[in-house]
Amino acid sequence: ETGVTQTPRHLVMGMTNKKSLKCEQHLGHNAMYWYKQSAKKPLELMFVYNFKEQTENNSVPSRFSPECPNSSHLFLHLHTLQPEDSALYLCASSLDRGEPNSGANVLTFGAGSRLTVL
Amino acid sequence: DAKTTQPNSMESNEEEPVHLPCNHSTISGTDYIHWYRQLPSQGPEYVIHGLTSNVNNRMASLAIAEDRKSSTLILHRATLRDAAVYYCILRDYNNNDMRFGAGTRLTVKP
Repeated sequence: ETGVTQTPRHLVMGMTNKKSLKCEQHLGHNAMYWYKQSAKKPLELMFVYNFKEQTENNSVPSRFSPECPNSSHLFLHLHTLQPEDSALYLCASSLDRGEPNSGANVLTFGAGSRLTVL
Repeated sequence: DAKTTQPNSMESNEEEPVHLPCNHSTISGTDYIHWYRQLPSQGPEYVIHGLTSNVNNRMASLAIAEDRKSSTLILHRATLRDAAVYYCILRDYNNNDMRFGAGTRLTVKP
């Protein structure tokens, strides 16, 4: 247990479904991240939130919609996905970012949510 | 953005030291060098980080070249549980870049 909890661990959905992935941390961190890990590809940074404000969106399709209601919770809402969106979705948190010397802050990852789109 | 280059794979024997290299020739003066590893079926986990000086912790040691253009992660005695993909990442002073490359897949042989 790393302190970052992701649910569900496994999700199978059809292309017309709407589902959500949830991430929760009680480490006192203020920055939260969504990464996508496809087979045989490096981790791709998708979204970044710092103090509940979205600070980065790496050209992610609109069928992925993040939500950060508070610094402890992060959601990824999924709708009208494609089979190529099947991947491991990883949530991470860090103390903060954008502050001097915050480059020393480490990332704590969850175990991931394995998504399969049929 | 400063990038890193690592070998795709390495092999080690159990209970022997392992030196995992990372080149970062375009590193800026304020970039931190971070190492993470990802065990099978898990999310990445933090291993060690440094700025200019060599660092030691309970998991590993980090040796940073004097010009900071390269670094080496040292596992002093590899175990089978150390088999993982190891990522070397540069993070800037304001923590505005945390992108992963392909990493090095370490295989540990009994």
